[in-house]
Amino acid sequence: EAGVAQSPRYKIIEKRQSVAFWCNPISGHATLYWYQQILGQGPKLLIQFQNNGVVDDSQLPKDRFSAERLKGVDSTLKIQPAKLEDSAVYLCASSSTQGYNSPLHFGNGTRLTVT
Amino acid sequence: DQQVKQNSPSLSVQEGRISILNCDYTNSMFDYFLWYKKYPAEGPTFLISISSIKDKNEDGRFTVFLNKSAKHLSLHIVPSQPGDSAVYFCAASVGSGSRLTFGEGTQLTVNP
Repeated sequence: EAGVAQSPRYKIIEKRQSVAFWCNPISGHATLYWYQQILGQGPKLLIQFQNNGVVDDSQLPKDRFSAERLKGVDSTLKIQPAKLEDSAVYLCASSSTQGYNSPLHFGNGTRLTVT
Repeated sequence: DQQVKQNSPSLSVQEGRISILNCDYTNSMFDYFLWYKKYPAEGPTFLISISSIKDKNEDGRFTVFLNKSAKHLSLHIVPSQPGDSAVYFCAASVGSGSRLTFGEGTQLTVNP
């Protein structure tokens, strides 16, 4: 099966600019996640979708971050305006269900550098 | 509030020997634990998991041990191979479908 697709792979922007990331999950996977991984740390969940509804966005900085999953398939994550501390790898993941026997499948991520 | 901690940033072992990666957690509500492996420039890939009703789960060369009283889990790789060189993350969750909390990762290097 095709894996989780993310684009772009790399992005360099200046602070206060905006940026968007795109994710296409594994076909048929109902649950989609966006994680932020800062250098030297483990991934941190930003938002979780079940189909096109938000399940958990408690750790999403909503003043500058937004995400949507139209039609319950592809998803975009946007940052506006970006700050220096947003420099990180943004990982998209999907799973077939929310249950114990459905581990997350991650994409290769988008590395964002904010200068 | 680091609820999942991997205290060893790096580990180096010889090919054929055992690799032991450790992870501690503080939230006693965690009941599902996983290990992920990550190569450079790739996303993490699922390796093995264990639920709190078990204390051991084995899959080929990989075994995860859970000590609930000590809030500690470990991943054993036997025998270690150079291709196992990667960053290993442990993760935990409360209940089915809730968010995973990851540790900081341990860089494993297996020397030929």
